[in-house]
Amino acid sequence: GQNIDQPTEMTATEGAIVQINCTYQTSGFNGLFWYQQHAGEAPTFLSYNVLDGLEEKGRFSSFLSRSKGYSYLLLKELQMKDSASYLCAVRRNNAGNMLTFGGGTRLMVKP
Amino acid sequence: DGGITQSPKYLFRKEGQNVTLSCEQNLNHDAMYWYRQDPGQGLRLIYYSQIVNDFQKGDIAEGYSVSREKKESFPLTVTSAQKNPTAFYLCASARGREQYFGPGTRLTVT
Repeated sequence: GQNIDQPTEMTATEGAIVQINCTYQTSGFNGLFWYQQHAGEAPTFLSYNVLDGLEEKGRFSSFLSRSKGYSYLLLKELQMKDSASYLCAVRRNNAGNMLTFGGGTRLMVKP
Repeated sequence: DGGITQSPKYLFRKEGQNVTLSCEQNLNHDAMYWYRQDPGQGLRLIYYSQIVNDFQKGDIAEGYSVSREKKESFPLTVTSAQKNPTAFYLCASARGREQYFGPGTRLTVT
């Protein structure tokens, strides 16, 4: 079966750095995605990792270790608008490249 | 503009009624997906279609049905057999690795 775990909630201060972790156990791993979702809205794509290492994109970076089944999303210079849920999703190549999502991490940024 | 549209944004139904949620895309994507999201939780896959006239069950297909008669359209019917239909429903499409999501339909069944 598939199992994806991430913390339910996190709180951080404006201007700070926060790391959101995601661990997964899945068959047919074919990449890991991070999405941002504001309340009541659709998820929007943030990053994609398929090889080990760090991918940097502006204030956001994502890291993957396939041997450890582990990823993190790093948000720097936090802004109030970063308050949202962050969804970790694993792509499976043995199931039509479907995505399996974790429960999401709700991040609250405080002044 | 290219994108995915879902209508309506909010939908209210009485228990025992079937209801169909619309999803249309003009991105020329082959694959389309339907997800359900419950409050404070992640997305769960209901059905997906990789090509016209073909679709597959996802993780929670019971009580739902779909059709894929046109590339642009992938409607989802929530039947009376679905025990807990109240949820936020998201449609997505993809060509390649990234899925693009529509704005969602919030269905409330009372």
